[in-house]
Amino acid sequence: GNSVTQMEGPVTLSEEAFLTINCTYTATGYPSLFWYVQYPGEGLQLLLKATKADDKGSNKGFEATYRKETTSFHLEKGSVQVSDSAVYFCALRRNDYKLSFGAGTTVTVRA
Amino acid sequence: DVKVTQSSRYLVKRTGEKVFLECVQDMDHENMFWYRQDPGLGLRLIYFSYDVKMKEKGDIPEGYSVSREKKERFSLILESASTNQTSMYLCASSDRWGTGELFFGEGSRLTVL
Repeated sequence: GNSVTQMEGPVTLSEEAFLTINCTYTATGYPSLFWYVQYPGEGLQLLLKATKADDKGSNKGFEATYRKETTSFHLEKGSVQVSDSAVYFCALRRNDYKLSFGAGTTVTVRA
Repeated sequence: DVKVTQSSRYLVKRTGEKVFLECVQDMDHENMFWYRQDPGLGLRLIYFSYDVKMKEKGDIPEGYSVSREKKERFSLILESASTNQTSMYLCASSDRWGTGELFFGEGSRLTVL
């Protein structure tokens, strides 16, 4: 079935470091892909999305490119801030229009 | 500002108790969802509703039921709570055919003793 696998955390970084969180997917066809973020004490919110191959989603300095050759949608940010500390979830839209989520990656950024 | 509101942030219940988790959205969305969030497992879909009084089982419906009597309100019911239902419960909503973006509440952390 359609599913996503994302790198396990936790990830701890210093401010201004480069962040990559890997996400690969298994799917029939080319599903829409998403990154959601959950800040401490809050619900999830959409960070960025891509709906077709080679699309690049971007928001708040984060980027992810939909790569069908490698079935990946890795999340990157060039210079993280303490305020980026959160749990990040990769997700894909299944054929039944529901979302399947990865396990989540906890990111902590230290000043 | 769009909003999904879950009635209780923290609940502590005893094994065998009946538990109600309430969720209200103000976006006139057709679709509403209940997920549970557990460390290392991500979010798993419990139930989904695409209209008033309509529901579908998600990936892990056992031990749960739902009610949707009004478009804006979606309730999750644990008929007889068990310790393995200790978890964070997240409600979400979306429009019927949208882009797949879900709007989430802040979550309800349930502890069953």
